[in-house]
Amino acid sequence: QSALTQPASVSGSPGQSITISCTGTSSDIGYYDDVSWYQQHPGKAPKLVIFDVNDRPSGVSTRFSGAKSGATASLTISGLQAEDESTYYCSSYTGSNTVIFGGGTKLTVL
Amino acid sequence: QVQLVQSGPEVKKPGASVRVSCKTSGYIFATYDIIWVRQAPGQGLEWMGKISPDNADFQGRLGMTSDTSTTTAYMDLSSLTSNDTAIYFCARGRRRNEIDAWGQGTLVTVSS
Repeated sequence: QSALTQPASVSGSPGQSITISCTGTSSDIGYYDDVSWYQQHPGKAPKLVIFDVNDRPSGVSTRFSGAKSGATASLTISGLQAEDESTYYCSSYTGSNTVIFGGGTKLTVL
Repeated sequence: QVQLVQSGPEVKKPGASVRVSCKTSGYIFATYDIIWVRQAPGQGLEWMGKISPDNADFQGRLGMTSDTSTTTAYMDLSSLTSNDTAIYFCARGRRRNEIDAWGQGTLVTVSS
């Protein structure tokens, strides 16, 4: 199964908002509301920032929000900060105890 | 606090096998799944598999097991090729797609 489709890169200035899209199919994002987003800084393990499409784990800034429409999910980061510069991965449940990841989007804070 | 501490880096020859361990602490081992994810150099995340703590799963070259007495999970990968060169992460999973804690990663290098 192919990876979910994410843009390779996005950028924004401090204080702005950006949105990262994640496109799947009717077998994953389009069928299940089990979409998560992870932030990964270079050389570090990923960190969960959104689960169940739009829920935030405890301790994650309210500046992070998620949404889904059909087979496309999205992550929005508002009030961009320098510390948000990272690579972001979406993921979706696909059934049979399996999850698929997106290819990753590198966020640059200008 | 929740911790997943993985074994150290490995260098293997093509055709060999590797075992990566993942020692957990700070939570009730039996109540969360263990997930394995890998990341090839400069590439994205790749889902490998998930097991509940009291189970084992063997899929082709991949074996995932755990020892509840030591709260340690293990990932075995056989018949290694250069394509298996990657950082291997263990992680703690909740429900169908919620990975809320990760190990530090183990670099496995396959080279002749």
